[in-house]
Amino acid sequence: GAVVSQHPSRVICKSGTSVKIECRSLDFQATTMFWYRQFPKQSLMLMATSNEGSKATYEQGVEKDKFLINHASLTLSTLTVTSAHPEDSSFYICSARDARDSGEAFFGQGTRLTVV
Amino acid sequence: KNEVEQSPQNLTAQEGEFITINCSYSVGISALHWLQQHPGGGIVSLFMLSSGKKKHGRLIATINIQEKHSSLHITASHPRDSAVYICAVRTRRGGGADGLTFGKGTHLIIQP
Repeated sequence: GAVVSQHPSRVICKSGTSVKIECRSLDFQATTMFWYRQFPKQSLMLMATSNEGSKATYEQGVEKDKFLINHASLTLSTLTVTSAHPEDSSFYICSARDARDSGEAFFGQGTRLTVV
Repeated sequence: KNEVEQSPQNLTAQEGEFITINCSYSVGISALHWLQQHPGGGIVSLFMLSSGKKKHGRLIATINIQEKHSSLHITASHPRDSAVYICAVRTRRGGGADGLTFGKGTHLIIQP
C-alpha cells in the first residue's frame, strides 16, 4: 500500500525553541495532508488541513502562528511548532490522501514531541 | 457527547477468541475507517467502508449506514493483534476539505 513517511519519530527540545516535523508521501502525490495531535489516552484531534500551494486551514482553537504548516510540494508537508512549551508535548501524526482521491487515508508513523 | 463512540474501551481476551469492537457515530459521513495503532504510535489503516462488509484475512468490518453503526471483528485472535483499534469517520468540513473524526479507541489485549 501507499507509504507516508514522517520524521522525526521522536524529538526532545527545550522550551522556547522550534521543532519541524516532516510528512512525505513516498509513492503517491498528495494535494491534501492532515495534521493531528494526540494526548495520552485521548483520541486524535485534527489540527489543520494542509493544502499544496495554498494556506493551511486550521481547526478552531489551533494557533496558526504557533503551528506553522507548509505544503510546498505534492509530496511534502511540514509542521513547525514555534516557541515550544511543555504543554505542546504530545504525539503529532500526519495523514495524506492520494491526489486521485480514492478516499483512503495513509498515516505517517507519528512524532513524539517532548518539550523540557 | 462525542461524535464517534467506541465500545468497549478496553478488552482482554484469550488467544483464539472471536473479538468484536463496536463504533457508533452521530454525524453524516462519507466513509468510515478502522485503524490499528501499535504501542509505538504508528497507525495502519485496516479498512475504509461506506457500505456493507469488507474482509481481509482474519479481520472483518461491517457498517450499517441507517443505524450509524460499524463493527470490527477479529477471528482466531492472536497476541500480535494486541493494539488500539480506532474508528474514524470521514466528515465533510467547510471549504471542501475534510478530515477524520476519531473515536477514543479500543485497547485490545490478547493473552496467550
